[in-house]
Amino acid sequence: SQQGEEDPQALSIQEGENATMNCSYKTSINNLQWYRQNSGRGLVHLILIRSNEREKHSGRLRVTLDTSKKSSSLLITASRAADTASYFCATDARDDKIIFGKGTRLHILP
Amino acid sequence: DAGVIQSPRHEVTEMGQEVTLRCKPISGHDYLFWYRQTMMRGLELLIYFNNNVPIDDSGMPEDRFSAKMPNASFSTLKIQPSEPRDSAVYFCASSPYLSYEQYFGPGTRLTVT
Repeated sequence: SQQGEEDPQALSIQEGENATMNCSYKTSINNLQWYRQNSGRGLVHLILIRSNEREKHSGRLRVTLDTSKKSSSLLITASRAADTASYFCATDARDDKIIFGKGTRLHILP
Repeated sequence: DAGVIQSPRHEVTEMGQEVTLRCKPISGHDYLFWYRQTMMRGLELLIYFNNNVPIDDSGMPEDRFSAKMPNASFSTLKIQPSEPRDSAVYFCASSPYLSYEQYFGPGTRLTVT
């Protein structure tokens, strides 16, 4: 099945540093989304990037999309303790269903 | 809007018992999704509805699982009989469009002993 795979599986950085997570997928998409999940909570949508877009910003978030490499990256700048969470990419399959990856666990160290 | 509402938040039951999970989507959202999340398998789509009609239930693990959406503001996911391997967090999500941003509920943590 078409599924985004996040890399790395887990990431620990110092507060204030930038965090970069990557997502690779297998077949062509219409759009790609990133979600955050805090421990014990539901997923929260962060940003959607369409296949004809290359970069998108939202606050401290920067998402890039390279359709030729079938990959996306999520950059969180100036990380904060509250950014500690799991981050998922989601891609739409041929039948437009959204498929979620298994996520990257981000831990911000004080 | 209060967002997607799920109940109960936690459910502990014994193997063989029937379990019913409930969801109220965001008003005006035409799509409703049921997901299951475990450490081993990640987030799995079980079934989704469009305008109260089940469209794709290919993710439902077996006949013990059933889902209904009797009206636009309510859906249930039922497991009968429950088994320990059904232990997971079950999420409901809603969306105005199929491949658009989804709004997740807080989830129901199910433990089957």
